[in-house]
Amino acid sequence: AQSVTQLGSHVSVSEGALVLLRCNYSSSVPPYLFWYVQYPNQGLQLLLKYTTGATLVKGINGFEAEFKKSETSFHLTKPSAHMSDAAEYFCAVGFSGGYQKVTFGTGTKLQVIP
Amino acid sequence: DAGVTQSPTHLIKTRGQQVTLRCSPKSGHDTVSWYQQALGQGPQFIFQYYEEEERQRGNFPDRFSGHQFPNYSSELNVNALLLGDSALYLCASSSTGYNEQFFGPGTRLTVL
Repeated sequence: AQSVTQLGSHVSVSEGALVLLRCNYSSSVPPYLFWYVQYPNQGLQLLLKYTTGATLVKGINGFEAEFKKSETSFHLTKPSAHMSDAAEYFCAVGFSGGYQKVTFGTGTKLQVIP
Repeated sequence: DAGVTQSPTHLIKTRGQQVTLRCSPKSGHDTVSWYQQALGQGPQFIFQYYEEEERQRGNFPDRFSGHQFPNYSSELNVNALLLGDSALYLCASSSTGYNEQFFGPGTRLTVL
């Protein structure tokens, strides 16, 4: 079984400030981890993913995330927030093995204050 | 590459009716998954199709059924619609053995 917990349903940051969105996972097998972004009335866009190898993963739009197995975490960060980053962000967990069911967290809505 | 496409974009139905949603996967993908995203929630896995068969199913009643065609496109059918079925329905495609899923823009279903 696998699950994802996203801490904070709403996060507000000032433009130019650090963005930190928290994600903890539970998985009985080595996980694959994802961050997706969703803009209003749109589908999901993949920001970045961790499968194996390097634990610090860089994605699009300046985002990155670090897989920490000991903490079962995969927090998303961006050094400097931009107004266009305002959206909802979903952390998700899957696993290798051919069956690609992905379990999503409940999402964190990011507000960027000018 | 057109990516994942879904139709229609919006749909309004009344309770008790039946609905069919359609999805065309990204070129080269053979696996289609369907998700339900209620307002303010994360996507919930409905089921996944591969080689025209349902391979995995989430915790959804039998009113939700699907189909995959030889060209890998897929349909999601929902019978006896309830108000609670109102949601954004997302289709995602992937290639077997590769975990990354690509999502379509979704179909917004409203049940009155």
